[in-house]
Amino acid sequence: ELKVEQNPLFLSMQEGKNYTIYCNYSTTSDRLYWYRQDPGKSLESLFVLLSNGAVKQEGRLMASLDTKARLSTLHITAAVHDLSATYFCAVVTDKLIFGTGTRLQVFP
Amino acid sequence: DADVTQTPRNRITKTGKRIMLECSQTKGHDRMYWYRQDPGLGLQLIYYSFDVKDINKGEISDGYSVSRQAQAKFSLSLESAIPNQTALYFCATSDVSADTQYFGPGTRLTVL
Repeated sequence: ELKVEQNPLFLSMQEGKNYTIYCNYSTTSDRLYWYRQDPGKSLESLFVLLSNGAVKQEGRLMASLDTKARLSTLHITAAVHDLSATYFCAVVTDKLIFGTGTRLQVFP
Repeated sequence: DADVTQTPRNRITKTGKRIMLECSQTKGHDRMYWYRQDPGLGLQLIYYSFDVKDINKGEISDGYSVSRQAQAKFSLSLESAIPNQTALYFCATSDVSADTQYFGPGTRLTVL
């Protein structure tokens, strides 16, 4: 059974700081997604990582995938308040399995 | 206009009632999904459909049923709602390559 684990589950960080969210999964998969969810809202697709070593960047967020280690990271550079949200990774086998999410709060 | 729509957006019902949540999409995708999200938790897959004639159970299908009326429509039913089915329900679609899933706005369901 595929398990997807994220850590930390909750992250409170100061504006301007850097941090990394980790996503580990238990079964071989060569496709991983990152989503953002604002409170009470739907999920917004951030990144799709399709191969080992894939790296994608959008603004202050950068995602990477290591399929051999079954690990993806979402790195936040110089955090700003607008990044406050819950971030989910999700891994596909024949269906998409989500991690539990990382709730990020960025404070001044 | 939104590509993936869900109706209703909010629903309060009583234990034992039959409830149907509807999802429509204009993206032309073959694949559709229903997820449940509990407060502070991730999404759990209830059912998914890869085309009109294909229906598959997800992680938590007990107490739910679905109907794929057309390529664009996928409905989720709770035959006899119970309080622990109170949650936020999301519909999603993807194309065959499944490069990404597109989510609807969600339906907040409360079962009293």
